[in-house]
Amino acid sequence: DSGVTQTPKHLITATGQRVTLRCSPRSGDLSVYWYQQSLDQGLQFLIQYYNGEERAKGNILERFSAQQFPDLHSELNLSSLELGDSALYFCASSFTGDTEAFFGQGTRLTVV
Amino acid sequence: GNSVTQMEGPVTLSEEAFLTINCTYTATGYPSLFWYVQYPGEGLQLLLKATKADDKGSNKGFEATYRKETTSFHLEKGSVQVSDSAVYFCALSVSNSGYALNFGKGTSLLVTP
Repeated sequence: DSGVTQTPKHLITATGQRVTLRCSPRSGDLSVYWYQQSLDQGLQFLIQYYNGEERAKGNILERFSAQQFPDLHSELNLSSLELGDSALYFCASSFTGDTEAFFGQGTRLTVV
Repeated sequence: GNSVTQMEGPVTLSEEAFLTINCTYTATGYPSLFWYVQYPGEGLQLLLKATKADDKGSNKGFEATYRKETTSFHLEKGSVQVSDSAVYFCALSVSNSGYALNFGKGTSLLVTP
């Protein structure tokens, strides 16, 4: 158990819908990262938050957004969903940016 | 930009065979290098890391050496076990991208008895 909790574990939704994925980082960790894992794109970095502020942005679509709340949990919002958004979405946390990142078990999103 | 290239899989080995998974990188700045492992149905776990040239990371019998001259970080294990069957990801991070991990495409390893 990495200490990073992601909910839900599985999500099935229709095209055009909006979903929210939730991540609770390890206790004490200030930095949260979101990654997308798909068969064709592999593991891609989406976005990072540090202590409530956006720190770095990767290949995140404009239809996707995220935030980190005062209690340090984070949410990834995916809207206007397309079939190609079906993937495993991982959250990772670290104490600061340059310390070891611990990964959650992921949320598997299926868009039908 | 930053990128990681690792050998394509799947790799199939017999138990107790020697394992090498090649990984090379390009980076702006001075990266830290990592190997992560993903067991079926699970998240990624850090296997080992190295933060500067000539550092050797090691864990659970796996080793990798940070070679700046060849921009490589090859993963090795002298004698694999069935329980090592998993997908292995090479990754780098640099400070100018918030230390976000930049992953290779992963190499699937199957070890047979």
